[in-house]
Parts: sequence; C-alpha cells; structure tokens
Amino acid sequence: QITLKESGPTLVKPTQTLTLTCSFSGFSLTTTGVGVGWIRQPPGKAPEWLALIYWDDDKRYSPSLNTRLTITKDASKNQVVLTMTNMDPLDTATYYCAHYYYGYRGRFFDYWGQGTLVTVSS
Amino acid sequence: QSVLTQPPSASGTPGQRVTISCSGSSSNIGSNSVNWYQQIPGTAPKLLIYTNDQRPSGVPDRFSGSRSGTSASLAISGLQSEDEADYYCAAWDDSLDDVVFGGGTKLTVL
Repeated sequence: QITLKESGPTLVKPTQTLTLTCSFSGFSLTTTGVGVGWIRQPPGKAPEWLALIYWDDDKRYSPSLNTRLTITKDASKNQVVLTMTNMDPLDTATYYCAHYYYGYRGRFFDYWGQGTLVTVSS
Repeated sequence: QSVLTQPPSASGTPGQRVTISCSGSSSNIGSNSVNWYQQIPGTAPKLLIYTNDQRPSGVPDRFSGSRSGTSASLAISGLQSEDEADYYCAAWDDSLDDVVFGGGTKLTVL
C-alpha cells in the first residue's frame, strides 16, 4: 500500500530557506507514469500546487513560485525533497506531498501524506 | 481568487441529493480532465473523483462527477452526515502550466 510522510521544521524565520522531505513507500519513482508533488494549504484556504517531479526527472513548478522552489528526488532512498527560499509569513501553511498518477487513466494526486504545518515567524 | 470557481457553501439534509459546481475556462476544464477531492477538517485531501467521472476503489457510488464544456459538477446522492467536509475541484491549466484548484465548497449536512 502506498504511504507518504512529510518531515521538516515546524518553525522557520522570515528570509530563511525551508527544506522538506517526503519519504514514501509502496511505489517506485523509477516507474513510468509516476510522480511526486508538493501542495500547500494555508489555514482556512484552498490547496495550492507547488511542484512536481516525474519518474524521468522532469520537473514542473508553480509559475508564481518558480524562482523560489527546487524539487529533487532520490529514488534509491524513496525520498523527494522540496526547498523553498526566502520564506515569508504568508508561506505559513500545511505542506503535503502526494503520489501523482500520469497515464491513460488521467493525471491526479491519488495518495497524500498527512501534511506538516510550517509556521513562518520571527 | 482561484482559477476554478466553486460556490463557497452547500447544504442538504440526510438522504438528499446535492451538487457542487466548478467553473473554469478553455485552458483548464475545457481541455483537461477534472479531479475532485474531499477534505474532512484536520485531515489531508482525499481523491474522490478522477478524470471527470471515475471513482477510486472504495469511494461509494453515491458520489458522481461530470464535465461539460468549461464546467464540472460533483453530485452526492443519499447525503450522509459523514459527507460533511470541504470539496475541491482541480485540473491542469495549459496556459498557466499549473495545477489549479477551486476555492473549495464547504458542505453542511443539516
């Protein structure tokens, strides 16, 4: 069964860089049609997609946050890492990683981690 | 301001049928499939409907989805108290090169 779990700091200061790790099991990031994405959700607001990395190492970023984001994978460790630079209090949110299916059935996030709340404050 | 537009709230009594709309444009819903997510407060979103009208294993057939033109709908029949949650539509947007979500609809079971 597919599971994902986010880890990283719960509190970061403004201007700092956030590094989050997604550790997963039940699938391989070397399998065609598989990806892992990051989505965040500010308190009381809708989810916002951040980044996506595919099995072939293709990477996609939210255009509005593109300059601040980097996503990488270590398929051998079953991990995906997201870094976000120049953190601001407006970046306070729950950050989720999710398994992405991309194939003949469509493209969607079908398995999500439990999320990790990141607060940006001095 | 979300790219996909949903009503902020919806409600119904147990047993009723409710529908939630999701309005987009030619660059998202008009040219790409729509997915729906259910989020119970304090938990992660859960995939409810994928590719417009497909249900993942384990999702009751009380939930159904449809897409027409640049709009999509989620219908819930035989409403139950455990359906009380936030519902989000999502789709890829070709112009933005972005996964876009709706603003969400809070469903209340009266």
